[in-house]
Amino acid sequence: GAGVSQSPSNKVTEKGKDVELRCDPISGHTALYWYRQRLGQGLEFLIYFQGNSAPDKSGLPSDRFSAERTGESVSTLTIQRTQQEDSAVYLCASSLGGPQETQYFGPGTRLLVL
Amino acid sequence: EDQVTQSPEALRLQEGESSSLNCSYTVSGLRGLFWYRQDPGKGPEFLFTLYSAGEEKEKERLKATLTKKESFLHITAPKPEDSATYLCAVQANRGFNKFYFGSGTKLNVKP
Repeated sequence: GAGVSQSPSNKVTEKGKDVELRCDPISGHTALYWYRQRLGQGLEFLIYFQGNSAPDKSGLPSDRFSAERTGESVSTLTIQRTQQEDSAVYLCASSLGGPQETQYFGPGTRLLVL
Repeated sequence: EDQVTQSPEALRLQEGESSSLNCSYTVSGLRGLFWYRQDPGKGPEFLFTLYSAGEEKEKERLKATLTKKESFLHITAPKPEDSATYLCAVQANRGFNKFYFGSGTKLNVKP
């Protein structure tokens, strides 16, 4: 079946602009995660959704970052007033939602802030 | 503080030269430890989940083991196509389903 998809695959923007990143999880997966991966580094947890609620937003770096999810479907991560340090790959993952559930990742969105 | 440390950062092997990657963790109650493979420009691909000390799992040339403090990913007779970054993640047995990832081991297998 279809895996996790993300769009756009690449985004170049100017400092100060807002960007919106999209994630389509695997159908039926109730849990959805956003991560940030800077070049050569591991994954940094941003936010977790169970359904359309976000029990854990602890990883969002600042109030410029926000995310929402429609039901148990699409999620968008919005970065306002982008800064150069926001440049990274933003990865989305989904899982069935129970404990000890394996996460399946999308290909990521590569964001470059000039 | 929950933490995951992977070593070495990079590993170069000759084809057929077996070795091990290490993932050390500190977490207040382990729900699960996960290994992923990540190819350049792609998202991580799931390999294994380990839940309790003493558990082992195998897949082709890969074998993952778990103790109370660390996990090893053993690679037997690697091939060039095993070249990738291998990521380890732990899930804490408290609160919500938060995962902590290590920074990965970049494996390069030369023919």
